[in-house]
Amino acid sequence: EPEVTQTPSHQVTQMGQEVILRCVPISNHLYFYWYRQILGQKVEFLVSFYNNEISEKSEIFDDQFSVERPDGSNFTLKIRSTKLEDSAMYFCATKPGPGTDTQYFGPGTRLTVL
Amino acid sequence: GESVGLHLPTLSVQEGDNSIINCAYSNSASDYFIWYKQESGKGPQFIIDIRSNMDKRQGQRVTVLLNKTVKHLSLQIAATQPGDSAVYFCAENFYGGATNKLIFGTGTLLAVQP
Repeated sequence: EPEVTQTPSHQVTQMGQEVILRCVPISNHLYFYWYRQILGQKVEFLVSFYNNEISEKSEIFDDQFSVERPDGSNFTLKIRSTKLEDSAMYFCATKPGPGTDTQYFGPGTRLTVL
Repeated sequence: GESVGLHLPTLSVQEGDNSIINCAYSNSASDYFIWYKQESGKGPQFIIDIRSNMDKRQGQRVTVLLNKTVKHLSLQIAATQPGDSAVYFCAENFYGGATNKLIFGTGTLLAVQP
């Protein structure tokens, strides 16, 4: 069964450094999402992406965050200057196309900012 | 209202018993709901979904009930097994821009005792 994959599984970085989290969506899926989950809390929406542009972003997704699909395969989340409070699990999710609402999640990247 | 923090509601059941996990959602206009299972260190895994034009939907060993009057959702797991131990999240579907996003509940930890 096709799955969303994410790399790395764990990223440790120093405060102020840039990180790029990578996701490979399920083939033929057209809609892409990033969510995050701070330890012990619920999953929170960050951003949705369709047709090579952001569809919607949350208040969390400030100017330090960006997304892109650089090569038609990977879907990336960049945090330009990480803060301690960015430490969380980051999940990529994808869905096939219009008329479908079910999102399929990847295993996540654990980001630790020191 | 929703509780946010490190303490998850916990449901402890004996193996073989039926489990019922409850969830309250916030938006009366939400038209689609999903239950996700999250095992430790993994991403949310789709279990079952339901549209707002239905009251009940059954899957393999799982049933979702929707009460739109009180904005309540429940997940019933029949003959609970140790492998069912996980955190269970309900999510409601919101539309914004060209696509949808999921708003997750706080989650319930299901602990199955052998």
